[in-house]
Amino acid sequence: DQQVKQNSPSLSVQEGRISILNCDYTNSMFDYFLWYKKYPAEGPTFLISISSIKDKNEDGRFTVFLNKSAKHLSLHIVPSQPGDSAVYFCAAAGGTSYGKLTFGQGTILTVHP
Amino acid sequence: EAEVAQSPRYKITEKSQAVAFWCDPISGHATLYWYRQILGQGPELLVQFQDESVVDDSQLPKDRFSAERLKGVDSTLKIQPAELGDSAMYLCASSSYSGAYNEQFFGPGTRLTVL
Repeated sequence: DQQVKQNSPSLSVQEGRISILNCDYTNSMFDYFLWYKKYPAEGPTFLISISSIKDKNEDGRFTVFLNKSAKHLSLHIVPSQPGDSAVYFCAAAGGTSYGKLTFGQGTILTVHP
Repeated sequence: EAEVAQSPRYKITEKSQAVAFWCDPISGHATLYWYRQILGQGPELLVQFQDESVVDDSQLPKDRFSAERLKGVDSTLKIQPAELGDSAMYLCASSSYSGAYNEQFFGPGTRLTVL
């Protein structure tokens, strides 16, 4: 039973345009959500997070939106740059999980110059 | 900048052999995590330590996997015997807080190939 799903395995975007990565979750106990970026041969790097008391969090070119009623979150990258090309994972935490993160399968983002 | 250290970066072994991975978390981080990432999937938690105590090992295959963090600092993950299905990236992460709202910092991982 996959509690966090990223249904798009890959996304291709032109440099300067917006990238939108989506994530759905099923566990209503989740109350904190994070996005990580991963380059090949490296560990995941924290990007941005959002608490369930908010519906939007912004950090520079990165904005995360949370729709609790739909159990859906999205990451917007504007403008996209070739250096953003990586695998993006959404992750969720909450309830009595003692900080355990549950990850989605990842979306490969490719930004073309 | 403080980082999570892992070694080795790559390990090739034959099935039925024993393998061990080492992790040194960011100094002062009380919580340490071991994740396994199979190609095409997201990381999955194997074991979580708070200081030297295990707080979650529900997904750890205890018949062949073991993990320890004896002094509450660095940690070792062992597989004995290794099986073909254990081929994956093994990631270590640490954080300064074990509550729900935590940012975990990941090491570069150990890529294990079992032949």
